[in-house]
Amino acid sequence: IAGITQAPTSQILAAGRRMTLRCTQDMRHNAMYWYRQDLGLGLRLIHYSNTAGTTGKGEVPDGYSVSRANTDDFPLTLASAVPSQTSVYFCASSLRQGGNEQFFGPGTRLTVL
Amino acid sequence: GQNIDQPTEMTATEGAIVQINCTYQTSGFNGLFWYQQHAGEAPTFLSYNVLDGLEEKGRFSSFLSRSKGYSYLLLKELQMKDSASYLCAVRVIYGGATNKLIFGTGTLLAVQP
Repeated sequence: IAGITQAPTSQILAAGRRMTLRCTQDMRHNAMYWYRQDLGLGLRLIHYSNTAGTTGKGEVPDGYSVSRANTDDFPLTLASAVPSQTSVYFCASSLRQGGNEQFFGPGTRLTVL
Repeated sequence: GQNIDQPTEMTATEGAIVQINCTYQTSGFNGLFWYQQHAGEAPTFLSYNVLDGLEEKGRFSSFLSRSKGYSYLLLKELQMKDSASYLCAVRVIYGGATNKLIFGTGTLLAVQP
């Protein structure tokens, strides 16, 4: 089934722990994105990748890292989680960088205690 | 800075028409998007405007005035399933070639019988 998937669906994490959120798409899209969505703040871009092998920083990159080893996968890592990283995380992709339509994954609800 | 404003909440009646406004102040404007997001779900693409005027797609239409920094989403023949958040997003160019989406905080529409 074509689309974009994320794992896990939800996670409760102790502060200070390392966590990787997974994102995979099978649409052969070149560009991928990570957003966080917080009440009253809307969707904010964390990191993006225009094509495999490249990544860039978005609006709120601190405390997060990404890699893009291939076209399909774009994992987001929290090296040492803090409570302010409690949020819903959405991965998205588009055919090309700045493409007209971004397709969003189902999201990961992360709680850091 | 980049700023997008839209009403926080709206209420409308089933079968009616509702207009959701969005104003923006951004640099490097390169298109305006509307997304629909049902509670607990991922955003889904609704419409895209890059030139002034009205784009119609079934019951949904979107209007853009670049000189006024203004857009609206028009929903006709409202159905209960249209109850959702509607996100206005502006695509901007920065760094000469990179595009990114900046999202408003969303308008929560409640459709009542």
